[in-house]
Amino acid sequence: DAKTTQPPSMDCAEGRAANLPCNHSTISGNEYVYWYRQIHSQGPQYIIHGLKNNETNEMASLIITEDRKSSTLILPHATLRDTAVYYCIANAGGTSYGKLTFGQGTILTVHP
Amino acid sequence: NAGVTQTPKFRILKIGQSMTLQCTQDMNHNYMYWYRQDPGMGLKLIYYSVGAGITDKGEVPNGYNVSRSTTEDFPLRLELAAPSQTSVYFCASSPPARVADYEQYFGPGTRLTVT
Repeated sequence: DAKTTQPPSMDCAEGRAANLPCNHSTISGNEYVYWYRQIHSQGPQYIIHGLKNNETNEMASLIITEDRKSSTLILPHATLRDTAVYYCIANAGGTSYGKLTFGQGTILTVHP
Repeated sequence: NAGVTQTPKFRILKIGQSMTLQCTQDMNHNYMYWYRQDPGMGLKLIYYSVGAGITDKGEVPNGYNVSRSTTEDFPLRLELAAPSQTSVYFCASSPPARVADYEQYFGPGTRLTVT
């Protein structure tokens, strides 16, 4: 997996958008960008993934730069329940048997 | 569906004891994984399996063993527990890893302390 770099912590006001950046400058052409989050020592929870195009689902949006060297996870209206550790992972999908490499992630704290 | 279940939730072991962490999934997923998470760190892959009868080592396999006799179950065995194995253990599963599509589903974890 390509190495990813994330800020160790971020703050966000409740109701505002939370924009979490991730750098993956050595990402390969066949590697996807995945985002997971872990709320208070629970098991990680999948959020979203993408290859080249921007993606959106009911939880978040993923914006990937055209050169694919960085991406941003957007939580459009952060709530207190979004306080968690967010992990950005670059992974080659089926060719790596789904094995994920977790870094230390970004601790997002949502304030009232 | 219950998803991925793990037992026990908590366990304290003495050095040198052995135990088996249980993991079961009811989603008919082929792929299953064991991770450990030390305090303040990300998860590290211990072992994984791509189907019944097929297992392989991850990043930190030493001190652990696994087996996969059924699609549903993927137990993790600790032999001769050591303090360095104090950690939270997560089991996960996913459908067969097609090119784009593999969300992993995680269990709630087993918190293990070795003293």
